[in-house]
Amino acid sequence: DADVTQTPRNRITKTGKRIMLECSQTKGHDRMYWYRQDPGLGLRLIYYSFDVKDINKGEISDGYSVSRQAQAKFSLSLESAIPNQTALYFCATSDSAPTGRNTEAFFGQGTRLTVV
Amino acid sequence: AQSVTQLGSHVSVSEGALVLLRCNYSSSVPPYLFWYVQYPNQGLQLLLKYTSAATLVKGINGFEAEFKKSETSFHLTKPSAHMSDAAEYFCAVRGGYQKVTFGTGTKLQVIP
Repeated sequence: DADVTQTPRNRITKTGKRIMLECSQTKGHDRMYWYRQDPGLGLRLIYYSFDVKDINKGEISDGYSVSRQAQAKFSLSLESAIPNQTALYFCATSDSAPTGRNTEAFFGQGTRLTVV
Repeated sequence: AQSVTQLGSHVSVSEGALVLLRCNYSSSVPPYLFWYVQYPNQGLQLLLKYTSAATLVKGINGFEAEFKKSETSFHLTKPSAHMSDAAEYFCAVRGGYQKVTFGTGTKLQVIP
């Protein structure tokens, strides 16, 4: 089983609909992230959470909200989806204590969201 | 604060030629640096990482990168490109206990 699991993997939704993307992890990390990938723009940070009670906006948080239900679960919501939110979304986790072995972010397989 | 700049959104090399993908970073604290690779329709896979040990870091698939503090660079190289290396490559930085910040990516094309 994957260490970081995203559901759904693909989703097509209509403009104005509310949609939730879910992420769960079994790595025991306290930090979780949501990124958005668009061609030519790389990965841009939407929201990040350093623990259950610590949630922070990233560089492109407008139009999105998040919920950290537990250490292992971090969901991203689009309250009213619009076409320019069509993108590939990644969830990632990392360890808060950057030791030599655990400094990097670990990624899910991504959710491809299309808003029509 | 921290940031990453990847020079060249697209790089083309001939099969068997040297691969050089450029990455410059800024960080207010000693950084951890990473290169990730993304193959078409797949997620991100860690290629290699710098964690303040050796400045020359070896990764998977024959790639390596050298940390140069004086140049604030962490360029990725491979002596001989293979067709299977065609992918998008992302450089990322983490300053101590901060979040991970990514560059905009470089697409590598390998020409037969």
